[in-house]
Amino acid sequence: QSALTQPRSVSGSPGQSVTISCTGTSSDVGGYNYVSWYQQFPGKAPKLMIYDVIKRPSGVPDRFSGSKSGNTASLTISGLQAQDEADYYCCSYAVTSYVFGTGTKLTVL
Amino acid sequence: EVQLVESGGGLVQPGGSLRLSCVTSGFSFSGHWMSWVRQAPGKGLEWVANMNQDGSDKYFLDSVKGRFFITRDNAKNSLYLQMNSLRAEDTAVYYCARFGVVISAAMDVWGQGTAVTVSS
Repeated sequence: QSALTQPRSVSGSPGQSVTISCTGTSSDVGGYNYVSWYQQFPGKAPKLMIYDVIKRPSGVPDRFSGSKSGNTASLTISGLQAQDEADYYCCSYAVTSYVFGTGTKLTVL
Repeated sequence: EVQLVESGGGLVQPGGSLRLSCVTSGFSFSGHWMSWVRQAPGKGLEWVANMNQDGSDKYFLDSVKGRFFITRDNAKNSLYLQMNSLRAEDTAVYYCARFGVVISAAMDVWGQGTAVTVSS
């Protein structure tokens, strides 16, 4: 149950694209197509942005997309907007448990 | 409107106990897996436990096994977390979260959280 590895911070200018990586093992990220991504603003509850690696819940802009290669999943945010500035966490199913990533702070310059 | 409302947090001494509650509304509670997720001050999210629809399957984070117990009352649309032998490292905001039906392996609805502080 070790946390998945994410970069501590990423940044980009409005309109640009940023990608946040999430590295695990073959027992979690690499073993199942059950990676999800959450957006969290300070003092607020997390919000689901991506599930099953690539799927978007209703209401989430298509600027948010997910992918996976081997033991690493990625969240890409295109057309960056000021309101995207938040913390982002990945999460993976791991048989009898779930494991979150270490979290990434996205700064919009 | 789908809602999850946690309560029961507070200040407790090391070794003490606390019972968290999560009252839900706006959806068929008995049809969903449910979970507890915590976040220590200034830290990331950490999955704590989850339970299936009828309570027959439950899973826990290794560090809370034997100390934390998850239960549910489908008649009351409520989820609970009994926390015993609390330690300083259990200090966190505890969130109740729902697993979807179609979105079965992700937590699609979250409560606002309840804060637990373990300190003497």
